[in-house]
Amino acid sequence: AQKVTQAQTEISVVEKEDVTLDCVYETRDTTYYLFWYKQPPSGELVFLIRRNSFDEQNEISGRYSWNFQKSTSSFNFTITASQVVDSAVYFCALSEAEGYQKVTFGTGTKLQVIP
Amino acid sequence: EAGVVQSPRYKIIEKKQPVAFWCNPISGHNTLYWYRQNLGQGPELLIRYENEEAVDDSQLPKDRFSAERLKGVDSTLKIQPAELGDSAVYLCASSLWAGTPRGEQYFGPGTRLTVT
Repeated sequence: AQKVTQAQTEISVVEKEDVTLDCVYETRDTTYYLFWYKQPPSGELVFLIRRNSFDEQNEISGRYSWNFQKSTSSFNFTITASQVVDSAVYFCALSEAEGYQKVTFGTGTKLQVIP
Repeated sequence: EAGVVQSPRYKIIEKKQPVAFWCNPISGHNTLYWYRQNLGQGPELLIRYENEEAVDDSQLPKDRFSAERLKGVDSTLKIQPAELGDSAVYLCASSLWAGTPRGEQYFGPGTRLTVT
């Protein structure tokens, strides 16, 4: 069975601080995909990134960066120089790579960036 | 390009009443998903459609929930009768098809259901 754990329920930072959101996953699959989604107060989930299990190269996109470590089953997300607009709930998710690729979401981390 | 459209955005009903949610996916997206998101939790899949066929409804409580996607485009999710525990946000998502690109599902804003 797949499981995604986001131990941080809520995080508050002051604007311009860096913040890292943790994600730990469990799967018996050898190939799988990992995702991060952002859910702003408006409600819809916004896709941020997808990584496959064969690609452990870290990725940077603007102020966002992701650290995938297969050895520790973690896929952490760092926001550099946080802004108020980053305030949202962030979900880490996992899907199998074969067949249907059902997506399993974590419970989310609520990030509040204080001006 | 319009995103996934859902209506209504909010619904308050008394228990034992019926309720229906509507979703119009992104044009051209063959796969449509209904999720339920309880407070403080991540979304959980209820049902997935490939065109008009429900290919995964294993998590749908079939005694009271039903869904349809008759023409393979928009979809309706119904609860009858609603129970207090059904209070949640119901999210609709769509993707080109389930296989590719992996997991790039586009979500609507959801319908927040409150059962009193």
